[in-house]
Amino acid sequence: AQSVTQLDSHVSVSEGTPVLLRCNYSSSYSPSLFWYVQHPNKGLQLLLKYTSAATLVKGINGFEAEFKKSETSFHLTKPSAHMSDAAEYFCVVSDTGGFKTIFGAGTRLCVKA
Amino acid sequence: GAVVSQHPSWVICKSGTSVKIECRSLDFQATTMFWYRQFPKQSLMLMATSNEGSKATYEQGVEKDKFLINHASLTLSTLTVTSAHPEDSSFYICSVRQPSGSSETQYFGPGTRLLVL
Repeated sequence: AQSVTQLDSHVSVSEGTPVLLRCNYSSSYSPSLFWYVQHPNKGLQLLLKYTSAATLVKGINGFEAEFKKSETSFHLTKPSAHMSDAAEYFCVVSDTGGFKTIFGAGTRLCVKA
Repeated sequence: GAVVSQHPSWVICKSGTSVKIECRSLDFQATTMFWYRQFPKQSLMLMATSNEGSKATYEQGVEKDKFLINHASLTLSTLTVTSAHPEDSSFYICSVRQPSGSSETQYFGPGTRLLVL
């Protein structure tokens, strides 16, 4: 069985400071892991994905995530937050065939000036 | 990645009417499309998997007679909310799954916000 837990429902940072959005997963198979961002009243945009290649994955807009199998984690980070990063972020786990996709509950990122 | 559009982007309707939402895969022939519903401040919930040329597969608890899905071509899937009620008000998002190396990646449409009065 697969599951994904986003440990924080809400994260608030100041502009220019680092961002850390935490995600833990469980999967019976070698999973594919994704981070998506959703701005208000918009669809989901793919930030990055892990599919059993390099464990450190670089995405768009300066985001990156590291797959740690021993910790079953896939935390999303960014060195310096920008106001435009304020949005909802979803961690997603999928089996390798993509037949079953599980969404995390989401983490709302607020960026203060 | 695949580009997905939805129409309309928002719709307001009276209770009891039916509403059709279109999902188009603009640059990718999708044999499978997915329909999600998202309530305010909640995550996405998969409603159904739309299969081109065959019946959709609905998730448990989703009424197939209320949420009619038609996947008539490789680039178009429609979701019709029949006899809509205020509790059907939600954000409806479709997606396509595109192969990427040894895995597949989902690409999402911009969503359709439905408000039933």
